[in-house]
Amino acid sequence: EAGVAQSPRYKIIEKRQSVAFWCNPISGHATLYWYQQILGQGPKLLIQFQNNGVVDDSQLPKDRFSAERLKGVDSTLKIQPAKLEDSAVYLCASSQQDQETQYFGPGTRLLVL
Amino acid sequence: AQRVTQPEKLLSVFKGAPVELKCNYSYSGSPELFWYVQYSRQRLQLLLRHISRESIKGFTADLNKGETSFHLKKPFAQEEDSAMYYCASRGGGADGLTFGKGTHLIIQP
Repeated sequence: EAGVAQSPRYKIIEKRQSVAFWCNPISGHATLYWYQQILGQGPKLLIQFQNNGVVDDSQLPKDRFSAERLKGVDSTLKIQPAKLEDSAVYLCASSQQDQETQYFGPGTRLLVL
Repeated sequence: AQRVTQPEKLLSVFKGAPVELKCNYSYSGSPELFWYVQYSRQRLQLLLRHISRESIKGFTADLNKGETSFHLKKPFAQEEDSAMYYCASRGGGADGLTFGKGTHLIIQP
């Protein structure tokens, strides 16, 4: 089966610009996660979706980050405006249901200059 | 809040030597513990989880609630074990994982 797909793989922007990342989970997976991984750190959960509803967004900086999963399949994560400290790898993961094994995508590496 | 601590950023051992990657967690309830691995140029993937009690690629990990630890062990390291290893926990009704900072394991020939 195809794995979790993410695009773009790399993005370079200047601070105060906007950026969007896309994720396509494994077919049939109801739960989708976005994680942020800053260099030298482990991944940190930003938001979790169950189908098209938000389950947990307690660590999402809502003043600049937003995410949606309108049809319960693909998801987009947006940063507007970006700050230097947003430079990180953004990982998308999916699982069949909550509490099941999470499968990770290759990540999008963001550099904010 | 949950916290996962991996005290070693880098661990280098020789091929054939035993390996132990340390992981300590802080959570008062009954968490689920995991080890994830990321090989060079590959995506993050699950290695093992404590509830399955499996041995994957020769690795095992035992949950020690008294010491709040979940150390990853392998009796004889192989060169293909070189990778980044992340310990993670989940608990309190949350599904998202809390990760440690990772340990870079290098197996020298």
